[in-house]
Amino acid sequence: DGGITQSPKYLFRKEGQNVTLSCEQNLNHDAMYWYRQDPGQGLRLIYYSQIVNDFQKGDIAEGYSVSREKKESFPLTVTSAQKNPTAFYLCASCSDRGIAFFGQGTRLTVV
Amino acid sequence: GENVEQHPSTLSVQEGDSAVIKCTYSDSASNYFPWYKQELGKRPQLIIDIRSNVGEKKDQRIAVTLNKTAKHFSLHITETQPEDSAVYFCAARGGFQKLVFGTGTRLLVSP
Repeated sequence: DGGITQSPKYLFRKEGQNVTLSCEQNLNHDAMYWYRQDPGQGLRLIYYSQIVNDFQKGDIAEGYSVSREKKESFPLTVTSAQKNPTAFYLCASCSDRGIAFFGQGTRLTVV
Repeated sequence: GENVEQHPSTLSVQEGDSAVIKCTYSDSASNYFPWYKQELGKRPQLIIDIRSNVGEKKDQRIAVTLNKTAKHFSLHITETQPEDSAVYFCAARGGFQKLVFGTGTRLLVSP
């Protein structure tokens, strides 16, 4: 899990602003994921990508966007269309065996 | 799409007792079922996993069972210790490497 890095650790956003969360991995993994964690709701899948230049919507994609231009990077943009963005965001990458390694997370707060 | 349900949401046991957490999944194409442990303030980490061609797997005090016909799998922790206290997540991986998590179980082991 030391090979996947999220930044920043804490992020504050004003209402109406877009913000981008960074996720970088040096594990040479093809698959990458973004999850949102809220108390009592587990890890909800936002977007995932099997391979570079390809990604799919997860269960709660509305108000979010992603890109996968490089194998190592999978940034998540929280747009102003996301009505309740305050949450803890976790990025993960998966080995070929399917084992997910998580970043340390970004806590986003709308102020 | 895949839906994973997890029970119970909280579980309190005495040190030395066993703990069992149960999950069900909906997508019959799912073939990989990992379990993650998340300690307070830390990222989730894999503790054990099982693939669809196996019915049971054990690693010291933890074991996982899988019933493909019924679409459910369970985590068993024996001889629990206070350091087992954490939130545990089950997950299922289906088509297109979509990895879906359950809502989590908060386990509290009292000395």
